[in-house]
Amino acid sequence: QLQLQESGPGLVKPSETLSLTCTVSGGSISGSNYYWGWIRQPPGKGLEWIGSIYYSGSTYYNPSLKSRVTISVDTSKNQFSLKLSSVTAADTAVYYCARGARGPERAFDIWGPGTMVSVSS
Amino acid sequence: SYELTQPPSVSVSPGQTARITCSGDALPKKYAYWYQQKSGQAPVLVIFEDSKRPSGIPERFSGSSSGTMATLTISGAQVEDEADYYCYSTDSSGSHWVFGGGTKLTVL
Repeated sequence: QLQLQESGPGLVKPSETLSLTCTVSGGSISGSNYYWGWIRQPPGKGLEWIGSIYYSGSTYYNPSLKSRVTISVDTSKNQFSLKLSSVTAADTAVYYCARGARGPERAFDIWGPGTMVSVSS
Repeated sequence: SYELTQPPSVSVSPGQTARITCSGDALPKKYAYWYQQKSGQAPVLVIFEDSKRPSGIPERFSGSSSGTMATLTISGAQVEDEADYYCYSTDSSGSHWVFGGGTKLTVL
C-alpha cells in the first residue's frame, strides 16, 4: 500500500529557506501517470496548494508562491522535495505531501500525515 | 488568481441532510472534488469527479455539479461527520490546483 512521509526541520529562521522531503514507499514515484504535490495549512486556516511535479520533472506552482518555490523529484530515492525561500512567520504551517492521481484534475488521493514547520528566530 | 468559494459554516441536527456548496467560474468545464478533514488529521477524499465515491466512503456522501456550483450532500448526517470540508478543482488552464476556503460542518 502506497504511503507518503514528510521529513525536514520543524523550525526555520525568518529569511532562510524551508526544505522538506517526501519519501514514497510501497510504490514507485516514476513511470506512472501521477503528479506529486505539496499542500500547506496554517494553524486554524484552510488548505493551500503550493505546487506539483510530474515524475518527468514538469512543475506547476501556485502563482502566489511561484517566485519562492522549487519542487524537485529524485526517482532514484523515490522522493520529491520542496524548497521555499525567504520565509516569514506567514509560512508557519503544517506541510503535507500527497499523490495527485484522481481524475483529469489530478486530485490528491493519498496524503502524508503532515509535518509542522514553524518560522521563528 | 482562481478561487473556489464555500460558506464558512453549515450546521445540522443528526439525521438531517447537510449541503455544502462550492462555486467557481471553471466548474462548468472542470470536475469538483471534496475532502473531509477532521481535527489534527490529513484530509480524506470523499467525492471525486463531481459525484463519484471512493471505496470505503459511506453512501450518505454524494456530490453533484451544475453550472458554476458544485454541492456536497450528506444525507442523514452523523455526529462523526462533523469536520471541515474542502472543495478542490483546477482553473480553466488545468495548470493551477485550487482548494476552496473550507466549510465547518457542525452536527448537533
